[in-house]
Amino acid sequence: AQKITQTQPGMFVQEKEAVTLDCTYDTSDPSYGLFWYKQPSSGEMIFLIYQGSYDQQNATEGRYSLNFQKARKSANLVISASQLGDSAMYFCAMRVANAGGTSYGKLTFGQGTILTVHP
Amino acid sequence: DGGITQSPKYLFRKEGQNVTLSCEQNLNHDAMYWYRQDPGQGLRLIYYSQIVNDFQKGDIAEGYSVSREKKESFPLTVTSAQKNPTAFYLCASSLGPGLGEQYFGPGTRLTVT
Repeated sequence: AQKITQTQPGMFVQEKEAVTLDCTYDTSDPSYGLFWYKQPSSGEMIFLIYQGSYDQQNATEGRYSLNFQKARKSANLVISASQLGDSAMYFCAMRVANAGGTSYGKLTFGQGTILTVHP
Repeated sequence: DGGITQSPKYLFRKEGQNVTLSCEQNLNHDAMYWYRQDPGQGLRLIYYSQIVNDFQKGDIAEGYSVSREKKESFPLTVTSAQKNPTAFYLCASSLGPGLGEQYFGPGTRLTVT
């Protein structure tokens, strides 16, 4: 079974500072993908960044980067230069291939971290 | 504009009634998914469909039903058998089952009293 753990229920950061949101995962499948989504108070899930298990480099997308440490099974999200609009719930999720080798795309989500950016 | 639409945004029903949540996408995606989110929790998979006329149960399918008669549409029916139907329901789609990220709709907040 796959599991995602986000141990920080809430995080606070000052505007313009960087913040790291923690995510650890558990899977025995060698092929998997890790995703981060942002959920503002409106409820919609917004895709931020993706890291494949075989990717050699850490993923980056604008102010978002993923600190992927495969041996530790961690995939922390780093947000640089925080903005007030970054205040939201953030979810880490994982997609694996099933036992037959064909992924059906299921995402397993963590419990989320609420990020509050202070001016 | 390409995207996923869910209607309505808020839905209220009396206990014992079935209710159908709409999900439409114009992204030409093959795979579609339904998730449920309870307050302060992550998302849990209810049903998914890899292709038209095919769908499979997710982790919490009991009390729900779906259909996939058209590529663009994946409606979810919350039946009276679902014991705790009040929740936020999110529909998503992706290019294929294991391809690319999942794009989400705006969600439907269902309240059953």
